Amino acid sequence: GAVVSQHPSRVICKSGTSVKIECRSLDFQATTMFWYRQFPKQSLMLMATSNEGSKATYEQGVEKDKFLINHASLTLSTLTVTSAHPEDSSFYICSAMDRNTGELFFGEGSRLTVL
Amino acid sequence: EDKVVQSPLSLVVHEGDTVTLNCSYEVTNFRSLLWYKQEKKAPTFLFMLTSSGIEKKSGRLSSILDKKELFSILNITATQTGDSAVYLCAVGVMEYGNKLVFGAGTILRVKS
Repeated sequence: GAVVSQHPSRVICKSGTSVKIECRSLDFQATTMFWYRQFPKQSLMLMATSNEGSKATYEQGVEKDKFLINHASLTLSTLTVTSAHPEDSSFYICSAMDRNTGELFFGEGSRLTVL
Repeated sequence: EDKVVQSPLSLVVHEGDTVTLNCSYEVTNFRSLLWYKQEKKAPTFLFMLTSSGIEKKSGRLSSILDKKELFSILNITATQTGDSAVYLCAVGVMEYGNKLVFGAGTILRVKS
């Protein structure tokens, strides 16, 4: 089946630093990728929709200057958490929509811990 | 505001039981309804439903969508301990392309 690779799976950083998370669709092209945040024992919260070659669309309450999203190609989107703070610690998951079938596949997620 | 509500929030059953999970929604520009299973990390895709009344099956799992009443059910027959997971329902809406609105999930625990 289709595979979405997310990297890194786990990252620990100091407060004030920036962290980049990559999301790649390995065997299909994804014109649309989504970034979610998941708190413990809660559902996925959509942060932004990333369309290849255009600016990301952010959900209400999500700071676009803090969570920078770049979707440079049909197989890669990146999320950069800038000037990270402990409250940004969370599980971040990306998903990619197959441009041909419309199916959505998820990455394995990235656990961010900000000290 | 788009909304997806799942019930029950949690469920404990014994192996061999049949369970039905519910998902109701209120969204504008409905595109599709999807079911996912989440165990430890990323959700895994189960079904995508776009048409009313057509049951989709995969082994012991099946799902159906009612676009008139705005809900879907996910059935699991002859449950096994490996079915223990969080089951997420999401509705795809046409807005700025496509986006998914997730329900809170149903936590299923199957006891041996």
